[in-house]
Order: sequence, then C-alpha cells, then structure tokens
Amino acid sequence: EVQLVQSGAEVKKPGESLKISCKGSGYSFTSYWIGWVRQMPGKGLEWMGIISPSDSDTRYSPSFQGQVTISADKSINTAYLQWSGLKASDTAIYYCARHIPGATTVTTRIDFWGQGTLVTVSS
Amino acid sequence: QTVVTQEPSLTVSPGGTVTLTCASSTGAVTSGYYPNWFQQKPGQAPRALIYSTSNRHSWTPARFSGSLLGGKAALTLSGVQPEDEAEYYCLLHYGGAQLGVFGGGTKLTVL
Repeated sequence: EVQLVQSGAEVKKPGESLKISCKGSGYSFTSYWIGWVRQMPGKGLEWMGIISPSDSDTRYSPSFQGQVTISADKSINTAYLQWSGLKASDTAIYYCARHIPGATTVTTRIDFWGQGTLVTVSS
Repeated sequence: QTVVTQEPSLTVSPGGTVTLTCASSTGAVTSGYYPNWFQQKPGQAPRALIYSTSNRHSWTPARFSGSLLGGKAALTLSGVQPEDEAEYYCLLHYGGAQLGVFGGGTKLTVL
C-alpha cells in the first residue's frame, strides 16, 4: 500500500526556520517525484515544486523559487520542505504528493497525497 | 504568471449532470498540458480523480469523466450523488510538463 506520511503540526514565530517531512512507503521511493502543495486558510491549492529523490533534481514554481527549499534523503525515503525565515503569510497546510514521471516529461500526474502538515506562524 | 481559471461555484441536483471547466491564460488547453482533476472535501487531503485529460484512477467512480471541450479541460459528473459535494481542482502542466499550476477550484453544491 502506497503511503505518504507527513510530520506533525508546527507552531512557529516569524523569522524562525522550519523543516517538515514526508516519508514514502509501499513503493520504490526513487522512481517517482515528490511535490509540495500549499493551501492557505480557506483558499485553493498552489503547486510549489517537485524533487526527484533519485538524484535530487528539483523544479520550483516561480512563485516559490527562493522562498522555500525542497530536498530529499533517499536513504530514508523522505522528502523535505524547509524555510529559513518564516513569515505570517506562510501559515497554511502543506501537502506532499507523489508525481508520476512521463516517458519524455518530468511529470504528468499526481496520484497519492500525504495527510497534510499545518504550519502556523504567529508572534 | 500563468493563471488557470475554473468556475468558482456550481450547483447540481442529485442524479443530474454537471460539467466543470479549466482554462489556461496561455491559450487553448490541449492534451500536452496533461490535465488532472482532484476532489477535496472539508478537512481532508485532496484525492486524485482524473489524469492525462480523461484517464480515471483505479479508485475513481465511472460517473466521473474527463475531456477537452472548447479549448478547455473539462470534468463531467453524471448521475451526481450527494457525496460528490466538494471542491474540485484542475492541474495543468507547463514548461514541457516540468511545472504545475492548479486552478482556483470549483465548489460543487448538490442540492
């Protein structure tokens, strides 16, 4: 059974750093890209970026380039999303999602999702 | 900045049929955008329904179908059930399918 299990909710102050995780199981972790999706309170889904755990090749949405860092540790089947200086506007639920690579493209679809990690940034 | 546009809200009667659409600010949506559709209910993670325009996942009920319609990606629900009330999001792929952009979502009410 494919599972993506995310780390627990976080409460942080503005300016603090944070790294949340997404652990994959039930499949070959290095054969699929892992992406991150933001959902701000009461708002829609926003595609942030993806990483290939096999070689850490990473693609970012222009909206999130430079704002977050996506990484992965294939030895423990885990992908990460991190911030070096949180802002109140980073308050959101963050989902990881498994992206299926295409024959000639990076990704063509998402199939499985993590349960989400709520990040609250408040002074 | 690429924008993907969906109807903000739609209402359908139980047993009826409804079509949701997904448009791109870059022009007509084609199969090369690999449209995906997702369903999200309150307090839950999104669930994948359709990929590559019209392909259902193994868990997707047959009443959900995807297509291209008038330059947009479309999701049609036939024989709508009360449990289909949810938010629906499309996802289009850009830059040679290296990046994704979600639509703003359609809130579907079954009434």
